[in-house]
Amino acid sequence: DIQMTQSPASLSASLGETVTIECRASEDIYSNLAWYQQKPGNSPQLLIYDANSLADGVPSRFSGSGSGTQYSLKINSLQSEDVASYFCQQYNNYWTFGGGTKLELK
Amino acid sequence: EVQLVESGGGLVQPGRSLKLSCAASGFTFSNYYMAWVRQAPKKGLEWVATISTSGSRTYYPDSVKGRFTISRDNAKSSLYLQMNSLKSEDTATYYCARHGYPGSGWFAYWGQGTLVTVSS
Repeated sequence: DIQMTQSPASLSASLGETVTIECRASEDIYSNLAWYQQKPGNSPQLLIYDANSLADGVPSRFSGSGSGTQYSLKINSLQSEDVASYFCQQYNNYWTFGGGTKLELK
Repeated sequence: EVQLVESGGGLVQPGRSLKLSCAASGFTFSNYYMAWVRQAPKKGLEWVATISTSGSRTYYPDSVKGRFTISRDNAKSSLYLQMNSLKSEDTATYYCARHGYPGSGWFAYWGQGTLVTVSS
């Protein structure tokens, strides 16, 4: 089974700041990686797929990068509506989620 | 507009069964792989099951294999999850999800979820 390790588990940042969340796979997942945002009380929403492709309707301040076993999600110019939990997910071999990152405002 | 509406959750005793349903609309249901993903209270996401377009192929993690069965009715644009021998650790909100374009692995759309509580 592929394990996904996400860091940090929680994060506090200021409005306008740039935030980066990391995700490490236990083996090469060949960019078969997605990122999801889950706001409190809501279901998850797709942000990024194929490691760096922006899903429809997602603001351009969100971006994804990485390859092999190391991936990251970057949020430029943090907005108040970005307060949420973020999850990475691999789909190279079945489907596995990272543990999540809870993003709060400082 | 893609819509996924889950139903069938509730309180159930350990060892009993429950069947969840998901009504899909706004897209050609038979063209897409579908999945169930769950989230225990205050916890992360866990993939539970995926089914191919025709229903001929199904996939499960070890945590539910042999106890849960995913199925679909393309004529009714509906997805199901039969859960047997339920355990307390199955307590979670269960989301119905549609995979991205045909053949893709990510989950492009999610329902609002239905809560399953396993307790005596």
